[in-house]
Amino acid sequence: AQSVTQLDSQVPVFEEAPVELRCNYSSSVSVYLFWYVQYPNQGLQLLLKYLSGSTLVESINGFEAEFNKSQTSFHLRKPSVHISDTAEYFCAPSSGGYQKVTFGTGTKLQVIP
Amino acid sequence: GAGVSQSPSNKVTEKGKDVELRCDPISGHTALYWYRQSLGQGLEFLIYFQGNSAPDKSGLPSDRFSAERTGGSVSTLTIQRTQQEDSAVYLCASTIAGGQQQYFGPGTRLTVT
Repeated sequence: AQSVTQLDSQVPVFEEAPVELRCNYSSSVSVYLFWYVQYPNQGLQLLLKYLSGSTLVESINGFEAEFNKSQTSFHLRKPSVHISDTAEYFCAPSSGGYQKVTFGTGTKLQVIP
Repeated sequence: GAGVSQSPSNKVTEKGKDVELRCDPISGHTALYWYRQSLGQGLEFLIYFQGNSAPDKSGLPSDRFSAERTGGSVSTLTIQRTQQEDSAVYLCASTIAGGQQQYFGPGTRLTVT
């Protein structure tokens, strides 16, 4: 099974500033990588995913993440955050197939007006 | 189509009572997960069902917790002799066979008084 590290439990950032939420995973095999988001008082939903192909993936609301195999990372970035991006973000790598998905401990992004 | 549903949405119970939480996965999804999310905490994996295979119970915190999945569909998480530390939001998620993207239900908020 995968293990995953989200080093930052909380990230405060001013509105319109850039942000990076870090995710590192451990694996020596091919992986699938996911970021899920949980807005205040809501359920978890998929933000973006890497399955294969281009290592840079984007979400519809301006977030992007790049799969870096050599560094075993899948950091989430946004060049300019909005108040509505305030949420908790979970990184989830998987070894694929029927292996259990592992979630990181989450990073709370707080956007400050 | 219908997403993952959970019932009840809220449950208040007295310490020492037993509770049952229900999860209806998306039709055709063969994998089902239960997680616990305590206030201010990340996602805690509880149990994983995949088809007819033996469930992965490695995340259950004590023998007061059990879960079953009948007919490869509906799942019930049972907590016996509830304690105040069991208070949390219990989340259910399902995936298609061999798939890794999880679809989450809205959760059941359990409060033990």
